[in-house]
Amino acid sequence: SQQGEEDPQALSIQEGENATMNCSYKTSINNLQWYRQNSGRGLVHLILIRSNEREKHSGRLRVTLDTSKKSSSLLITASRAADTASYFCATSADSNYQLIWGAGTKLIIKP
Amino acid sequence: DAGVTQSPTHLIKTRGQQVTLRCSPKSGHDTVSWYQQALGQGPQFIFQYYEEEERQRGNFPDRFSGHQFPNYSSELNVNALLLGDSALYLCASSLVQGRGYEQYFGPGTRLTVT
Repeated sequence: SQQGEEDPQALSIQEGENATMNCSYKTSINNLQWYRQNSGRGLVHLILIRSNEREKHSGRLRVTLDTSKKSSSLLITASRAADTASYFCATSADSNYQLIWGAGTKLIIKP
Repeated sequence: DAGVTQSPTHLIKTRGQQVTLRCSPKSGHDTVSWYQQALGQGPQFIFQYYEEEERQRGNFPDRFSGHQFPNYSSELNVNALLLGDSALYLCASSLVQGRGYEQYFGPGTRLTVT
């Protein structure tokens, strides 16, 4: 079963604009991770935020985590055509080893 | 430094057959996880191997089995294939017991069952 739910399911923006994706989850977590997937290929790890962190930056990426609302957001600033991909959040709990994934947000950047 | 590799890239099988997928982890990684990803969905955890043993299993039937070798590489076996087994199968490797650490994914094996 999937724990995370990404919102929106699909997002289409112009190159240069910012893209924001949201993720909600159901149970307590140890950390939350964001991954990118291009055209049904392997996933690439983007950023990990721990449950005791509220915000984290990596290049053009900014992730926030609100454990009280069980939600996270991923902001991609100054989007590029190469950012076109599906983005997934995945959560990890202390009690087990698996990552539990959402269904993803499909991001399309129009040139 | 080689990343995670998987073979084969694509596979077409007939319902009822058996299939073996292979994965070599990133150099230095000791933990391998397998995921099934249906079209338009997020990955579903199948199981994780560490020290040649299945450490945790997701909600998959016994038709799905695996193995980890002393060199940390791994195999996923699926018996009595069903049409619903058609999916992208992803292998991921990680370090430090794999609890909540970032995972490195291979390109996947696209399995089609006809």
